[in-house]
Amino acid sequence: KAGVTQTPRYLIKTRGQQVTLSCSPISGHRSVSWYQQTPGQGLQFLFEYFSETQRNKGNFPGRFSGRQFSNSRSEMNVSTLELGDSALYLCASSLNGQPSSGNTIYFGEGSWLTVV
Amino acid sequence: GQNIDQPTEMTATEGAIVQINCTYQTSGFNGLFWYQQHAGEAPTFLSYNVLDGLEEKGRFSSFLSRSKGYSYLLLKELQMKDSASYLCAVRVAGGYNKLIFGAGTRLAVHP
Repeated sequence: KAGVTQTPRYLIKTRGQQVTLSCSPISGHRSVSWYQQTPGQGLQFLFEYFSETQRNKGNFPGRFSGRQFSNSRSEMNVSTLELGDSALYLCASSLNGQPSSGNTIYFGEGSWLTVV
Repeated sequence: GQNIDQPTEMTATEGAIVQINCTYQTSGFNGLFWYQQHAGEAPTFLSYNVLDGLEEKGRFSSFLSRSKGYSYLLLKELQMKDSASYLCAVRVAGGYNKLIFGAGTRLAVHP
């Protein structure tokens, strides 16, 4: 079955612009989470959605937002882009986020964002 | 606070065995993941431990001791393609899919 799909894979934006990234989870997965990866900070949690509701939020400014649709697809948006937002943005999905052994978290290929 | 420690770099020889350790101190615990990440690529799932003990999957095994806040990933019969970063991540209590990641261990496998 198809894995986690993210679009676009690569994009270049200018400071001050805004960007929207899209994620389609594995079929049947209802929990979607987003992470930012940079060389300096590593992988950091942005937020998580389940049944169209944000369940968790990381320590990022309000310029970072997200949403989930009824088909579990998710988008994240970054407004007023800064140079420091250049990063790999990763989407991950799981069945429902419960800690049972079958509730593995799988990552997508990521969206590489460069802000110039 | 949340703290996950793993060695920054390790080197090993093709065909050998290597153990990558991970210690954690987190606000609650609901499982520990190991991911492999090649340069420029996304993390690939390797293992998930919820209970204490050893989980074996082919050449990869992962061990967890919740009382000690400790896990390790064991890679056997190393191959050149195993050269990658290995990420330890904890699913925190009440965090559903919120993972706290360690900085990762860069493994270099030499012939």
